[in-house]
Amino acid sequence: QKEVEQNSGPLSVPEGAIASLNCTYSDRGSQSFFWYRQYSGKSPELIMFIYSNGDKEDGRFTAQLNKASQYVSLLIRDSQPSDSATYLCAASPDRGSTLGRLYFGRGTQLTVWP
Amino acid sequence: GAGVSQSPSNKVTEKGKDVELRCDPISGHTALYWYRQSLGQGLEFLIYFQGNSAPDKSGLPSDRFSAERTGGSVSTLTIQRTQQEDSAVYLCASSRTVNQPQHFGDGTRLSIL
Repeated sequence: QKEVEQNSGPLSVPEGAIASLNCTYSDRGSQSFFWYRQYSGKSPELIMFIYSNGDKEDGRFTAQLNKASQYVSLLIRDSQPSDSATYLCAASPDRGSTLGRLYFGRGTQLTVWP
Repeated sequence: GAGVSQSPSNKVTEKGKDVELRCDPISGHTALYWYRQSLGQGLEFLIYFQGNSAPDKSGLPSDRFSAERTGGSVSTLTIQRTQQEDSAVYLCASSRTVNQPQHFGDGTRLSIL
């Protein structure tokens, strides 16, 4: 069973703070990792993806990957109330019969208060 | 270009009826995926297509569910003899090719009475 685990939260941070979202995965064969943001009643929106160990930065967002620890994280700097949403972590294997599908965590609900 | 387009956006039907959901992927995307999300649940993979072929159908919950894709573009997901537990948001995503980032449509909210 290939599982992706996230703290369900809710995570609450003040405006301007750094929000840290964490995710672990069980399948060592996973090679590609994605973070999606999902507003209530809306579909998931891709915000970051990472394939290699280390950090990847895009604006206020930084994704971090540690394959040895099977750990992925998303940092949101200078958090804004508009960042309030559920953040979904997803992993994808790069080979085998399940190539192509994403395994999603249950999501972490983030609230940024003014 | 345009994003992933799904129709209908909402569907209410009676138990036992058949329903057909449609997905039009982003132009040029060869891979297409179907997921569903039940209230308070995570996203559940159903099936994906690479071109017109479906290498992985293992997520389909039962033989009442089927999907096809023609011309490497539009896909339809059909649910026969719907049950109340089929009520969910059905999401379609596409990517340039397999293992590339997937982009989701707005989904079809299916309600079975």
